[in-house]
Amino acid sequence: QVQLQESGPGLVKPSETLSLTCTVSGASISSYYWNWLRQPPGKGLEWIAYMYYNRYTNYNPSLKSRVTISGDTSKNQFSLNLTSVTAADTAVYYCARARTWGVFDIWGQGTMGTVSS
Amino acid sequence: EIVLTQSPDTLSLSPGERATLSCRASQSVSNNYLAWYQQKPGQAPRLLIYGASSRATGIPDRFSGSGFGTDFTLIISRLEPEDFAVYFCQQYGSSPMYSFGQGTKLEIK
Repeated sequence: QVQLQESGPGLVKPSETLSLTCTVSGASISSYYWNWLRQPPGKGLEWIAYMYYNRYTNYNPSLKSRVTISGDTSKNQFSLNLTSVTAADTAVYYCARARTWGVFDIWGQGTMGTVSS
Repeated sequence: EIVLTQSPDTLSLSPGERATLSCRASQSVSNNYLAWYQQKPGQAPRLLIYGASSRATGIPDRFSGSGFGTDFTLIISRLEPEDFAVYFCQQYGSSPMYSFGQGTKLEIK
């Protein structure tokens, strides 16, 4: 059974970097597409980035200048770094697997990321 | 970027009734790469439908998807109490950008 679990600091100050990690069990991050998405409180979903074969990456053009996704095969984890955060980056952040292109079939439970001074 | 618009924003129905949810794209969705997700409060979304009409593993057959091009529909044939939630459509035919609709809230009447 594939499971994903997000972790990271819940509170980040404006202009700092939000760093999140997704720990994967039951599947290898060397296969499939591994994604980050987010959902501001009471709003819709936004795809942020994916990593494929722990090598290829793709980013939402609106966030590309501030986002990095990377993987650690030794820990079977992948991570998100979002720089220069503002209050608009406050959201629940989800990691998710896409077994095929763009279809998010397994999700983590989500972690709240709040930007506040 | 393909913009997805869902309608209605809120749908009020009773258990046992049929629900019809719409998703319209601002331009044609390549290969009918359109998915539907269900989200309950405090939970992550759950994949229901992909490829516009294929049910995901474990999804009951009362859920069905249809459509092509720019117009897509999710039908729940007979509503169960656990079906009341928010539903999102998502397109994945346009790289490098996946986009979601704003959601339809299905509430108990």
